[in-house]
Amino acid sequence: QQQVKQSPQSLIVQKGGISIINCAYENTAFDYFPWYQQFPGKGPALLIAIRPDVSEKKEGRFTISFNKSAKQFSLHIMDSQPGDSATYFCAASVKTSYDKVIFGPGTSLSVIP
Amino acid sequence: DSGVTQTPKHLITATGQRVTLRCSPRSGDLSVYWYQQSLDQGLQFLIQYYNGEERAKGNILERFSAQQFPDLHSELNLSSLELGDSALYFCASSAGYNEQFFGPGTRLTVL
Repeated sequence: QQQVKQSPQSLIVQKGGISIINCAYENTAFDYFPWYQQFPGKGPALLIAIRPDVSEKKEGRFTISFNKSAKQFSLHIMDSQPGDSATYFCAASVKTSYDKVIFGPGTSLSVIP
Repeated sequence: DSGVTQTPKHLITATGQRVTLRCSPRSGDLSVYWYQQSLDQGLQFLIQYYNGEERAKGNILERFSAQQFPDLHSELNLSSLELGDSALYFCASSAGYNEQFFGPGTRLTVL
């Protein structure tokens, strides 16, 4: 199964709060899990990524938590700021003959003052 | 700046017409991906090329086609355009199966 599921579809968080977006996958062959951030009218850009040999990766206010047995991973945004308001896509990929990346459907995050 | 360029930025055309979107990948990237993003929708994978060869197809309509040239730039051709084809079209490139670098997109409006 190539699908990547993502929830919630939209999220409203107050400034300073924690934003949490969850993703799940089926294909155990996936071995690279990136998160992309997209601002309106712009192309998505890589935010942070993790491989399944670690359970957590932190970069500044952004943390990925990875649960290999549950086939789930999540993005936590600490001290959320209005500038974090964007659409976030989780994704998964595996080295194959054609290097395909599967994207989740996206989460629209709004951080209100 | 991702290093991926797309032209044109905006395109307005009429139903039934044909348009060509152009993408130049980052220097050295062999893979080019095309995505369609409709209003408030996710990224719909259309097609991937690797070093001039088609490698994967997603939800690409038969009215759409693409190619990658020897200099690695790619073109997405959309024909017999319908109102529902109005969307943002993104090109991305990668050097492998890890990070994809997205271009700024082409906004297509079909009237």
